[in-house]
This record gives sequence, structure tokens and C-alpha cells, in this order.
Amino acid sequence: DQQVKQNSPSLSVQEGRISILNCDYTNSMFDYFLWYKKYPAEGPTFLISISSIKDKNEDGRFTVFLNKSAKHLSLHIVPSQPGDSAVYFCAASFNDYKLSFGAGTTVTVRA
Amino acid sequence: ETGVTQTPRHLVMGMTNKKSLKCEQHLGHNAMYWYKQSAKKPLELMFVYSLEERVENNSVPSRFSPECPNSSHLFLHLHTLQPEDSALYLCASSQDPRTGELFFGEGSRLTVL
Repeated sequence: DQQVKQNSPSLSVQEGRISILNCDYTNSMFDYFLWYKKYPAEGPTFLISISSIKDKNEDGRFTVFLNKSAKHLSLHIVPSQPGDSAVYFCAASFNDYKLSFGAGTTVTVRA
Repeated sequence: ETGVTQTPRHLVMGMTNKKSLKCEQHLGHNAMYWYKQSAKKPLELMFVYSLEERVENNSVPSRFSPECPNSSHLFLHLHTLQPEDSALYLCASSQDPRTGELFFGEGSRLTVL
């Protein structure tokens, strides 16, 4: 039973525009949410996180939004850059180490 | 030294072979993890060690056997694997398991023939 879902397997965006990645979850007990970025032949790297007590967290070009009532998480990248081309994983946890991951969204930033 | 180092990066083995994957972290973290990533699927948690004690075995078949001799090293011993075990095996570490901020290695790409 997949508790974290990324329904868009891929996203193509023009350089300089906004990238919006979406993530839905089913477990209302999740209290911590993270985004990871993965380049080919590398392990995922932590990008940004948000606690369930917040609805927004911003770090430079990256902003994560949390809508608890809709059980929905999104990542905004503004402006998108060619180096942002990667696979992005959404993940969630409940007070422990068991991260539940989504299947990932492949972002391609076009020049 | 990079944070989390995995060896080998690529491994091809037959179904009757015995091999091991190695992971080393240089971050002083207290918890280490093995994840499996199959194509187009979410990362699956396999094992968690916290302070060198196994705290999670996520219904992993016994043909996968983890070992954590100290807080910096983690092994995954493989024997009599199946072709469907072919995947990317990722090691990770974290300082605080509760925050979920994992630091991953580059992964070991395993192919079982």
C-alpha cells in the first residue's frame, strides 16, 4: 500500500519558469515531509523539508507547501535552471525513521 | 572523504553466488539504513540500524543479511538471490532518525543473472 504518491512521472519546463511538483499522501499521521533530488548515478540528496505544524517553508529558489486538509504537498522551483534537471522524490514520516517515499518525478529543464 | 561511501558501485552475480555490499559513513551519524530502489518504484526501506542495533527489518527475505559492526560501517550480505532482486541498493545515514533527513550514498547497482 503506497502511502505517498507522485502522480506525475515527468515534468518539462522552460528555463527561468516555475516548476511545480506535486505529492499526495494517505496517512494523516505523517508529521514530517521532505523532498529529495537525485541525479543519475548518484544517491538522493536532501533538498527541503517541512513539519506538519507549518504550511510553507522556503529555501532560496525552493519552496515547499503543505495542505494538510487535502493531504497534499508541493515543491515550487523558481526560477528553474538546467541544473535542476533531476528526479525529485517526495517523502513523509511519522515520528520515526520510516520514511515513505513516492516513486519520483523526473524534471527536465529546457534551455 | 565524501559523506557516505558505497562499494562496489556495480555488481553482477549469479543466483548461487555469495557477495556483500559495503557502506561507510564519515558523518558521525548514529543511524544507518539500507534501501532498495527498483525501476519506477518508490524507495523501499529494508533495514535500519540505530547505535549499531537493528531496529527495523522491513519484511526482507532472509537471502539479504545485514551487518553493522560499528556506527560507521554497514554491510549487506547477499546469497542465493533471484533475478527480481536486481536493483539499486542505497545506503543512508542520519544523525536523528526522527527527522528523516537522510544522507545517501551513490548506491550499488546489483544485477542478478
